Amino acid sequence: LAKTTQPISMDSYEGQEVNITCSHNNIATNDYITWYQQFPSQGPRFIIQGYKTKVTNEVASLFIPADRKSSTLSLPRVSLSDTAVYYCLVGKITGGGNKLTFGTGTQLKVEL
Amino acid sequence: SQTIHQWPATLVQPVGSPLSLECTVEGTSNPNLYWYRQAAGRGLQLLFYSVGIGQISSEVPQNLSASRPQDRQFILSSKKLLLSDSGFYLCAWEGLGTEAFFGQGTRLTVV
Repeated sequence: LAKTTQPISMDSYEGQEVNITCSHNNIATNDYITWYQQFPSQGPRFIIQGYKTKVTNEVASLFIPADRKSSTLSLPRVSLSDTAVYYCLVGKITGGGNKLTFGTGTQLKVEL
Repeated sequence: SQTIHQWPATLVQPVGSPLSLECTVEGTSNPNLYWYRQAAGRGLQLLFYSVGIGQISSEVPQNLSASRPQDRQFILSSKKLLLSDSGFYLCAWEGLGTEAFFGQGTRLTVV
């Protein structure tokens, strides 16, 4: 898996948009980018996955520039319940066997 | 639909005692399976992963071992627990590419 780098922590307030950026300079041509959310005492939960440009679902948006060396998870209008650790992973989409290795993630803290 | 079961949810074990944590997956065949450990306030540490029955890859030298006796069963074991084995243990299976599904986790406290 390509190595990823994320900020250790971020702070925000309710109602704001939060953007968390992940660097993956060694991303391979057939690699996809996946983001997870983890609450205390729970396993990580899949949020969104993409290959290039922009992907949006009911929870978040994922922006991937043309060179794909980074990606940005965008959480619109965060609430207190979005306080969690967010992980970025990079790996191939087909056949699995990625040996999923999570980094330290980004601790997002949302306050009133 | 696919589900993953992991038990027990919490466990308190004395130092030197054995350990067996079990994880089973339903609704899929030949999944890639993973064991992770998470210390308090830390990230996920990959311990073992398996791409098939009897095929185990160890990522970190330790006194833990893993086995996969059946296609959808993954077991984490130890013959003698250490204090440093305390942590939150998570089992996961890998769906398409990097989409992983996690069990509920086991909070292990070694005393």
